[in-house]
Amino acid sequence: DIQMTQSPSSLSASVGDRVTISCRASQTIKTHLNWYQQEPGKAPKLLIYAASSLQHGVPSRFSGSGSATDFTLSISSLQPEDFATYYCQQTYSFPYSFGQGTKLDIK
Amino acid sequence: EVQLVESGGGLVQPGGSLRLSCVGSGFTFSSYPMSWVRQAPGKGLEWISYISGNSISIYYADSVKGRFTISRDNAKNSLGLQMNSLRAEDTAVYYCTRDPPRGYTYSYFAHWGQGTLVAVSP
Repeated sequence: DIQMTQSPSSLSASVGDRVTISCRASQTIKTHLNWYQQEPGKAPKLLIYAASSLQHGVPSRFSGSGSATDFTLSISSLQPEDFATYYCQQTYSFPYSFGQGTKLDIK
Repeated sequence: EVQLVESGGGLVQPGGSLRLSCVGSGFTFSSYPMSWVRQAPGKGLEWISYISGNSISIYYADSVKGRFTISRDNAKNSLGLQMNSLRAEDTAVYYCTRDPPRGYTYSYFAHWGQGTLVAVSP
């Protein structure tokens, strides 16, 4: 089974900051990597699929990169609505798996 | 508009059973693989099961294999999850999700239901 490890587990930042979140797979997943944002009490929202493709309707300040085992989610200029928890997910092989999450809060 | 609506959650005793349902609308249900994802209180997301559009391909996480059964009724646009031998650690919000249609290179969950809470407690 493929294990997904995110870093950091939590992150404090200010509005306007640029932040990056990392995700590492225990074996190659090519570019079968998705990123989700989840606000408290809500269902997750897809941000990025196939490592770097922006989901329709997601602001362009979000971007994804990487391949094989190392991936990054970047937010270019944090907005108040971006403070949430972020998850990566591999869909290269079953069982699909998520990272443990990165909680982004206001500094 | 794509909509997924789960139902069937509730309080159940350890060792008990529960059946969750998810009804899809706004798309051709039979063309899309579906999955169940759960989230224990205060914890992260856990994928637990997948079913292809024609029910030929089915997969489970090890944590639920042998206890949970995924199914679908395309005539009723309905996805199901039969949960048996429930344990305290199965307490979670359960979401149904939709994959891209068969033949897409990538899988991702662009559509989620609102979730239904399952609580396993004496």
